[in-house]
Amino acid sequence: TQLLEQSPQFLSIQEGENLTVYCNSSSVFSSLQWYRQEPGEGPVLLVTVVTGGEVKKLKRLTFQFGDARKDSSLHITAAQPGDTGLYLCAGRDNYGQNFVFGPGTRLSVLP
Amino acid sequence: DADVTQTPRNRITKTGKRIMLECSQTKGHDRMYWYRQDPGLGLRLIYYSFDVKDINKGEISDGYSVSRQAQAKFSLSLESAIPNQTALYFCATSDFGVHREGETQYFGPGTRLLVL
Repeated sequence: TQLLEQSPQFLSIQEGENLTVYCNSSSVFSSLQWYRQEPGEGPVLLVTVVTGGEVKKLKRLTFQFGDARKDSSLHITAAQPGDTGLYLCAGRDNYGQNFVFGPGTRLSVLP
Repeated sequence: DADVTQTPRNRITKTGKRIMLECSQTKGHDRMYWYRQDPGLGLRLIYYSFDVKDINKGEISDGYSVSRQAQAKFSLSLESAIPNQTALYFCATSDFGVHREGETQYFGPGTRLLVL
């Protein structure tokens, strides 16, 4: 069974600070996705990374896929209260059929 | 209107009761999924369907069943609910095959289930 771990589990920071959250596994994934989930809603896709070493930027968010395609990071610059939410990573399994989700990092950005 | 809808949004039931959670989508996607979310465990796949005639068990299918009534409808049943099935349940669709750059899953708003 392929598993994804995320760290930290919880993170509370002040508005304007930078942060990085991590998604790690001992398994190789063909692609990895990051989602953000807000209270009372379903997860919403932020980005998909496919190539080892790939870096994608989405405004203040920077996503990186590890060279070995076993890990990924999400860096947020100058966090804002609107960034508050649960950040989930999901890797496509070896059979290419479905995605395995990590437990998530719950981020709180205080004004 | 939301592309993926779930009913009910909240449900309280008693141990042993049979309940059904319903999901409808207007995105025209063939692939649909049911997940459950528990604190600290993320989303775990219960069942998935790649088209109306294709139903597959996911990681945690025991105690659950599904029905794909049409391309747009995928329902989840708890045959005899038990307290450890208390969780947040999400339905999702996927646009697999539409975009070369990857697949996106679209989630419904969730059903919060409490089994007493």
